[in-house]
Amino acid sequence: NSKVIQTPRYLVKGQGQKAKMRCIPEKGHPVVFWYQQNKNNEFKFLINFQNQEVLQQIDMTEKRFSAECPSNSPCSLEIQSSEAGDSALYLCASSLSGNTLYFGEGSRLIVV
Amino acid sequence: AQKVTQTQTSISVMEKTTVTMDCVYETRDSSYFLFWYKQTASGEIVFLIRQDSYKKENATEGHYSLNFQKPKSSIGLIITATQIEDSAVYFCAMRGYGNEKITFGAGTKLTIKP
Repeated sequence: NSKVIQTPRYLVKGQGQKAKMRCIPEKGHPVVFWYQQNKNNEFKFLINFQNQEVLQQIDMTEKRFSAECPSNSPCSLEIQSSEAGDSALYLCASSLSGNTLYFGEGSRLIVV
Repeated sequence: AQKVTQTQTSISVMEKTTVTMDCVYETRDSSYFLFWYKQTASGEIVFLIRQDSYKKENATEGHYSLNFQKPKSSIGLIITATQIEDSAVYFCAMRGYGNEKITFGAGTKLTIKP
């Protein structure tokens, strides 16, 4: 069973609505990754953190996507204004060193 | 930039046989890490095995082993004595030493027939 906890498992949002997903990494893992997996199973890297600091992220210049990993709180990924193309499985993974990843079960977003 | 290519979209084999899945990668980093994961029908993603580029010996883990051919930038996954429950989508991934991002291939769907 996965030790990375993602909530909610499913999200249904209307276009333009905000969507927020949370992730509790495996205990003791300081590195957290977010990926978007589309219907073709392709993984798109979004962002990763070490503790609260961003290590690397895609160009989020659209500003619709934001993410954080505050101290002593779950990490989160938020889409400010959902679009149909955002429908996907959002995967959170944690890691001890930034190498081997341990994935949560994902949050499936459907934008209607 | 990193790139991972899995050319086999799907493979089907009989139970208890051996299967090899191909993966080639591109990186400018002299040191890098290679991984294989599997995603089951339920969506669960499980880490299987890892190869560090500086290690000459092929990694093995249970009935998984790797065929690491560094000059060809190739990291094949070998599953021996396959079981029905090995049916899944298998992803190859890599991380260059100077890169914080882990890049995944498009996946190979493996079906094990009874």
